[in-house]
Amino acid sequence: LAKTTQPISMDSYEGQEVNITCSHNNIATNDYITWYQQFPSQGPRFIIQGYKTKVTNEVASLFIPADRKSSTLSLPRVSLSDTAVYYCLVAGIFGTGTRLQVFP
Amino acid sequence: DTAVSQTPKYLVTQMGNDKSIKCEQNLGHDTMYWYKQDSKKFLKIMFSYNNKELIINETVPNRFSPKSPDKAHLNLHINSLELGDSAVYFCASSPSASDREWNEQFFGPGTRLTVL
Repeated sequence: LAKTTQPISMDSYEGQEVNITCSHNNIATNDYITWYQQFPSQGPRFIIQGYKTKVTNEVASLFIPADRKSSTLSLPRVSLSDTAVYYCLVAGIFGTGTRLQVFP
Repeated sequence: DTAVSQTPKYLVTQMGNDKSIKCEQNLGHDTMYWYKQDSKKFLKIMFSYNNKELIINETVPNRFSPKSPDKAHLNLHINSLELGDSAVYFCASSPSASDREWNEQFFGPGTRLTVL
């Protein structure tokens, strides 16, 4: 079974770039990597998904190295409203979640 | 227009009782899921259900059973509730059953279950 691990928490300031890494050493050939954001008292919300190299959308970028055993979610110029818990999902297994706190 | 809805939002009950949580999605998705989120915020899949195929996480006690009256609904029945069942339960849906392809999951708002 895939096991996904993430840092428990990260702190940042408004306007900075934040990079959150997820480790998924047992990823299978066909597995995609997906990231979700969760605010308190809400369900997780899809941010981005990728298979390899780099994916970018209007809110984030996802970097996946060639061996695909890890992935990095990059949030450019975070704001206070980005304070949330971020989860990676691989092969149906959610990571442990990273609590991002953005300070003014 | 809520995409994935759950009822109730809060559920407080006594140990030993039987309870149900309802979930409905209006996205036309083929697959629905139930997740449990514990007090440490770990999210664990309990079931996925696609076109009458049920995939069960083997760690889920058989006191938990999903019931799908139709494609848009996946309800969660829990028998003989225990203290350890206290958690937030999320329903989700997605276009397909596989996370080995583009497959965004849409989550409901969650049901906070407290067992006394």
